[in-house]
Amino acid sequence: AQTVTQSQPEMSVQEAETVTLSCTYDTSENNYYLFWYKQPPSRQMILVIRQEAYKQQNATENRFSVNFQKAAKSFSLKISDSQLGDTAMYFCAFIPPNSNSGYALNFGKGTSLLVTP
Amino acid sequence: EAQVTQNPRYLITVTGKKLTVTCSQNMNHEYMSWYRQDPGLGLRQIYYSMNVEVTDKGDVPEGYKVSRKEKRNFPLILESPSPNQTSLYFCASSLRDTDPYNEQFFGPGTRLTVL
Repeated sequence: AQTVTQSQPEMSVQEAETVTLSCTYDTSENNYYLFWYKQPPSRQMILVIRQEAYKQQNATENRFSVNFQKAAKSFSLKISDSQLGDTAMYFCAFIPPNSNSGYALNFGKGTSLLVTP
Repeated sequence: EAQVTQNPRYLITVTGKKLTVTCSQNMNHEYMSWYRQDPGLGLRQIYYSMNVEVTDKGDVPEGYKVSRKEKRNFPLILESPSPNQTSLYFCASSLRDTDPYNEQFFGPGTRLTVL
């Protein structure tokens, strides 16, 4: 079974600072897909960034970037220049290739991020 | 506007009273699925559908049914709801069933309480 672990239940960062959210996963597959989703207080699930495991280059989307360490099975999310609107629950998720579960997103338990003025 | 819609957004019901949560997408997506979100557990898949008339169980299917008679709709049916089905439910869809890299678009969620 594939599992996703987010070891930080809650984090806090000041506006304009940088914060890194941790995610580790367990799989025996060589290729797979990793995602970070954001869930603000509105509860809407919003895709932040995604990475395909065979691509060595770390994905970047504006202020959001990942540090993908395949050997360590680590997929951390870095948020630069944090803004108040980044306050949300962040979920790391994993999809194995050729999934028998219909490409279900396997989610971690989430990290609650609070951005303070 | 491209979106996934769910109805109702909030529902309080009693044990044993059948209910249906509707899900509809206007993006012509083949793949649709249902997740439930519980505190401390993240999101877990209930059922999914690769295309019309093709559905299968996810990780936590007990107590739920689905159908996919049309491409755009994927209702979640609770024949006899129980309190342990109190949860936040999300419907999601994506463009191609064979490309898991495609973004899965989520609906706004349905908060269900079973008394």
